[in-house]
Amino acid sequence: GAVVSQHPSWVICKSGTSVKIECRSLDFQATTMFWYRQFPKQSLMLMATSNEGSKATYEQGVEKDKFLINHASLTLSTLTVTSAHPEDSSFYICSASRTGVDYNSPLHFGNGTRLTVT
Amino acid sequence: GNSVTQMEGPVTLSEEAFLTINCTYTATGYPSLFWYVQYPGEGLQLLLKATKADDKGSNKGFEATYRKETTSFHLEKGSVQVSDSAVYFCALSDRRGGTYKYIFGTGTRLKVLA
Repeated sequence: GAVVSQHPSWVICKSGTSVKIECRSLDFQATTMFWYRQFPKQSLMLMATSNEGSKATYEQGVEKDKFLINHASLTLSTLTVTSAHPEDSSFYICSASRTGVDYNSPLHFGNGTRLTVT
Repeated sequence: GNSVTQMEGPVTLSEEAFLTINCTYTATGYPSLFWYVQYPGEGLQLLLKATKADDKGSNKGFEATYRKETTSFHLEKGSVQVSDSAVYFCALSDRRGGTYKYIFGTGTRLKVLA
């Protein structure tokens, strides 16, 4: 159990266009989802915390108007990279936490999305 | 603030060698500690966890003990296999007010040679 599906697994887009990445919890409800960006030297940076039915909480230095997050249901959060530029090329990973659990419980991760902006 | 520090890699070992990947943390409260593993091109998977001092997490031959006195959670395996080649992340989670937050180390790449 506790499967998180992330789609697409890879995407190539042109500079200036927008790209939407979906994160779904398939067999559990997730009030909270987290979006990470992974840099080439594997470091994992938390971008934002997505809460169902409310605005996302962004980490310092992350542009909320560029990285739009929507968490419209208990099983789906989306990250939209707007007006993408080559420097946005990266590996984006979502994770979800079961509704009702506390911080002793682990996160469940999607398989990531490789975004390449040309 | 809370933080996690892990040894830099890559760590290169021969098959059946003993593995240790160091992880230390700083936290103001009583965090839970985790090790996650990431195989190439994939997301992270939980490897093991410990939720209080002196707890030992174990899975697939890997072990880590929550040491409050040294604020450490070192990952060990007695005999590594080529299939263990991956990136390993140490992480903590802690409660902040009514919410909680996960903090990850920078990851340690392990290469196991046949």
